[in-house]
Amino acid sequence: KAGVTQTPRYLIKTRGQQVTLSCSPISGHRSVSWYQQTPGQGLQFLFEYFSETQRNKGNFPGRFSGRQFSNSRSEMNVSTLELGDSALYLCASSGPGQIETQYFGPGTRLLVL
Amino acid sequence: AQSVTQLDSQVPVFEEAPVELRCNYSSSVSVYLFWYVQYPNQGLQLLLKYLSGSTLVKGINGFEAEFNKSQTSFHLRKPSVHISDTAEYFCAVIAVGASKIIFGSGTRLSIRP
Repeated sequence: KAGVTQTPRYLIKTRGQQVTLSCSPISGHRSVSWYQQTPGQGLQFLFEYFSETQRNKGNFPGRFSGRQFSNSRSEMNVSTLELGDSALYLCASSGPGQIETQYFGPGTRLLVL
Repeated sequence: AQSVTQLDSQVPVFEEAPVELRCNYSSSVSVYLFWYVQYPNQGLQLLLKYLSGSTLVKGINGFEAEFNKSQTSFHLRKPSVHISDTAEYFCAVIAVGASKIIFGSGTRLSIRP
């Protein structure tokens, strides 16, 4: 099976812009979670989607949003970008009956200038 | 709520020497425990996991970890490291039935020839 894929891999934006990141889970996986990784804060949970519904949300401002499509692909959107949003954004998927075991994609590295 | 403490931010070892990366967790509910590895400019790869059963868990690349409930620890060990083990290692917990992973701050393992 192909692993979790994320596009784009690298992105440069300026403050105030918005950005959309995409994640395709492993085939058959319906749960998709997003994490932000920064040197200062480490790995932090953003949100989790299952069957097009957000099931869980971390402590991030409303500028961070996401959605999931019927094919389980997920997108994450960040509006009004700030310098502090520069990070590696990781997506993970998990399969039926194995919600606890998450498989990660390579990440999208976002740089906000 | 759960928390994870990785006691060492960096661990330097010589090639072919044994290594132990320490991890302690705190939780008021039952949890599952994981170790992930992150190679430079890559996502997270699952090394091993403890869900239940035997407290000694074997993972990929010759790593193993032991769950100690009384000491709330889940230390990672390898009897003989290789240059290719140079990476950052993350200990993580997830409450049983939940989908949000709580990560430790990571331990950077550097191997000296």
